[in-house]
Amino acid sequence: DGGITQSPKYLFRKEGQNVTLSCEQNLNHDAMYWYRQDPGQGLRLIYYSQIVNDFQKGDIAEGYSVSREKKESFPLTVTSAQKNPTAFYLCASEENYGYTFGSGTRLTVV
Amino acid sequence: DQQVKQNSPSLSVQEGRISILNCDYTNSMFDYFLWYKKYPAEGPTFLISISSIKDKNEDGRFTVFLNKSAKHLSLHIVPSQPGDSAVYFCAALGGSNFGNEKLTFGTGTRLTIIP
Repeated sequence: DGGITQSPKYLFRKEGQNVTLSCEQNLNHDAMYWYRQDPGQGLRLIYYSQIVNDFQKGDIAEGYSVSREKKESFPLTVTSAQKNPTAFYLCASEENYGYTFGSGTRLTVV
Repeated sequence: DQQVKQNSPSLSVQEGRISILNCDYTNSMFDYFLWYKKYPAEGPTFLISISSIKDKNEDGRFTVFLNKSAKHLSLHIVPSQPGDSAVYFCAALGGSNFGNEKLTFGTGTRLTIIP
């Protein structure tokens, strides 16, 4: 079955540490996206990539970094510069305006 | 600057009755609208969409209405079922001068169906 896999589902990290969230898709989609969900704020776009080796900042990119070395993979690194990293992170891929979402990673910084 | 707004953070509806979820947008360049349903700790799943050239789209129990002049859309669920209890996100496509089609999400409405 084609889909998007995000791992891990839950992640705990100490304050000041960088952490990388995995997102893998086997849908052969060119475009991939990272969103962050906070209570009362909906889903906000962090970074997106329209094609391999290219990515663009979204609305709240500060404190995050991404790479897109392979079509299937779009990992997100939450750096120590991100002031409020505790959130639910969603990865998505898209083809012809049809979005497929992963099941998310809940990151808690303690 | 919230371009897509869902002003009701929560809604409770009796089972079997109609659920109406509302969404307002500010960017007149949005040309496609979608509704997603989301359970806790899961990704959103697509429900129904509507193009800006239409004013209504129906799929089973779900109907989406679009009022372009008011920049308002709504999702109707009839009849409401307990399994409909979830958070519903309105989302919009377009709205960019650069051709980058990114979804802009609303803040979500938590729907609770009361048995």
